[in-house]
Amino acid sequence: NAGVTQTPKFRILKIGQSMTLQCAQDMNHNYMYWYRQDPGMGLKLIYYSVGAGITDKGEVPNGYNVSRSTTEDFPLRLELAAPSQTSVYFCASKGGGNTEAFFGQGTRLTVV
Amino acid sequence: GQQVMQIPQYQHVQEGEDFTTYCNSSTTLSNIQWYKQRPGGHPVFLIQLVKSGEVKKQKRLTFQFGEAKKNSSLHITATQTTDVGTYFCAGRSSSNTGKLIFGQGTTLQVKP
Repeated sequence: NAGVTQTPKFRILKIGQSMTLQCAQDMNHNYMYWYRQDPGMGLKLIYYSVGAGITDKGEVPNGYNVSRSTTEDFPLRLELAAPSQTSVYFCASKGGGNTEAFFGQGTRLTVV
Repeated sequence: GQQVMQIPQYQHVQEGEDFTTYCNSSTTLSNIQWYKQRPGGHPVFLIQLVKSGEVKKQKRLTFQFGEAKKNSSLHITATQTTDVGTYFCAGRSSSNTGKLIFGQGTTLQVKP
């Protein structure tokens, strides 16, 4: 049971480039989340999804896009990378009701 | 929008001293969850509180959920070096249970 898998683990982008952070879960969870964590800071919610085909903005959605075409996958897209998007990105999933969230190992992204 | 605030941001203690972190939400929560993140790691679920006024214990850790379901606390008795890490509270609003918002976290350092 792999849980939540994020790829890549590390990435360096140049300003203006685009990329997709991949997230997949094999627990058949309906809820999936993307967070960013800046050094010494907490977890800020970027986007979340309550099921396939349904996504909604979190606290800091600007500069990002998501899609949820399947239950398993929840990719995060950066269209025009900016230095302010340098961060560690965590994907998480949870089941319905009062259940815990499971996190991936994170993607460390640097924009230069 | 929903906000979850956590204090203090940092706490340095001598091994054997007690530690407490406090969590306050701007909205009534359906539940509160606590996570621990070790340095360089990802958040890992510790516990969940659901009922108003609920108190739960895990060995040296005591978790409380306020009567109004808007605040919570985590108390560690007699800290050990293995307690080092960042402790996060996370809540789902009663009005939007899909959104999981994290506090800023409290980073605990324990001096041996």
